[in-house]
Amino acid sequence: DAMVIQNPRYQVTQFGKPVTLSCSQTLNHNVMYWYQQKSSQAPKLLFHYYDKDFNNEADTPDNFQSRRPNTSFCFLDIRSPGLGDAAMYLCATSLDRSNQPQHFGDGTRLSIL
Amino acid sequence: GQNIDQPTEMTATEGAIVQINCTYQTSGFNGLFWYQQHAGEAPTFLSYNVLDGLEEKGRFSSFLSRSKGYSYLLLKELQMKDSASYLCAVSNAGKSTFGDGTTLTVKP
Repeated sequence: DAMVIQNPRYQVTQFGKPVTLSCSQTLNHNVMYWYQQKSSQAPKLLFHYYDKDFNNEADTPDNFQSRRPNTSFCFLDIRSPGLGDAAMYLCATSLDRSNQPQHFGDGTRLSIL
Repeated sequence: GQNIDQPTEMTATEGAIVQINCTYQTSGFNGLFWYQQHAGEAPTFLSYNVLDGLEEKGRFSSFLSRSKGYSYLLLKELQMKDSASYLCAVSNAGKSTFGDGTTLTVKP
């Protein structure tokens, strides 16, 4: 089945230690999104790629970066995680930007020690 | 700016009908999505409205009034498995802004 896969499901890192979360998709969708979701809150868009075109949200901290080396893969890098970065990180894809529904991965729950 | 409001929590009985409301004030509007999210899981797509009116999909229906900035999700014949958070999301320029979600608890 075509899907969006996030690895790992659970990630623990130390305060200030860089961490990378990964996302892959077999849907061949053009758009990939990264969201941060904290408990009982809305998913907050961090950035998205339309093909190779990177789009950063204005309020996304500089601590967060992303890479999309090819259509199938997208990475979220957190350079120096702080306690406030503990959250669920969701990757999503959509076919294009014309109001197609988003397909989400199962998420990576990040804990900071 | 973007402002999306949903009730925080709702409770309903198995077999009943429940309506979850969403109001929005956004700088642009291309459509409105409803997603279901079970605890600890990813959101899954339920429905999409771009024109005013009702969209029906099995036990789930969604309504949109663009002039009022209002939508609702209607769930019929509630089942225990419908206990989840329901997220309203407004789409604009290829991006979606999500509400905080409504946690629905279905009781026997």
